[in-house]
Amino acid sequence: EDQVTQSPEALRLQEGESSSLNCSYTVSGLRGLFWYRQDPGKGPEFLFTLYSAGEEKEKERLKATLTKKESFLHITAPKPEDSATYLCAVQPLGTGAGSYQLTFGKGTKLSVIP
Amino acid sequence: DTGVSQDPRHKITKRGQNVTFRCDPISEHNRLYWYRQTLGQGPEFLTYFQNEAQLEKSRLLSDRFSAERPKGSFSTLEIQRTEQGDSAMYLCAFKAVSANTEAFFGQGTRLTVV
Repeated sequence: EDQVTQSPEALRLQEGESSSLNCSYTVSGLRGLFWYRQDPGKGPEFLFTLYSAGEEKEKERLKATLTKKESFLHITAPKPEDSATYLCAVQPLGTGAGSYQLTFGKGTKLSVIP
Repeated sequence: DTGVSQDPRHKITKRGQNVTFRCDPISEHNRLYWYRQTLGQGPEFLTYFQNEAQLEKSRLLSDRFSAERPKGSFSTLEIQRTEQGDSAMYLCAFKAVSANTEAFFGQGTRLTVV
């Protein structure tokens, strides 16, 4: 069974204080790893897709990286508007049962204090 | 705008009543998913459609739950004889035809069973 564990559960940062969020995963074969941002009361907003170990993607203050067992979401010089819950999800390889669904972690709630 | 519209955004119902949610994706030619999210948890997979065919259902989807996607366009999720444990955010998502692409989520329907 695919598993995704995110840490820490919550993170408070001062504005400008860079940090990283962790996503550890167990999957028989990885088709893709996805990062989402979720604001309270809203649906997840897509950020990145990573497909293979060593891959990196950036968007504004966010950078996502992938190894064979985990992914990191690095936040550089965060601003208060970066406050949200960040979700990680994996999709397994294959075409059989379960191969089209995403398995999510519980998320990391990030608070950036001015 | 994520290209997925969900209606209603909020629903309060009494225990034992039936409720129906609707999801309208931007394109008919895609994969459509339903997920459920409770407070402090990541989204959990419920069911998946490719066009009008329901190809996969989670064991979370009890007999009280039914989903349809007539003509491969909009989708409905019905919950019969609601229970307090059904209180959650119900999220609809779609993917383009390629299996490797990311899923885009709607804003969700928040169900409260009293």
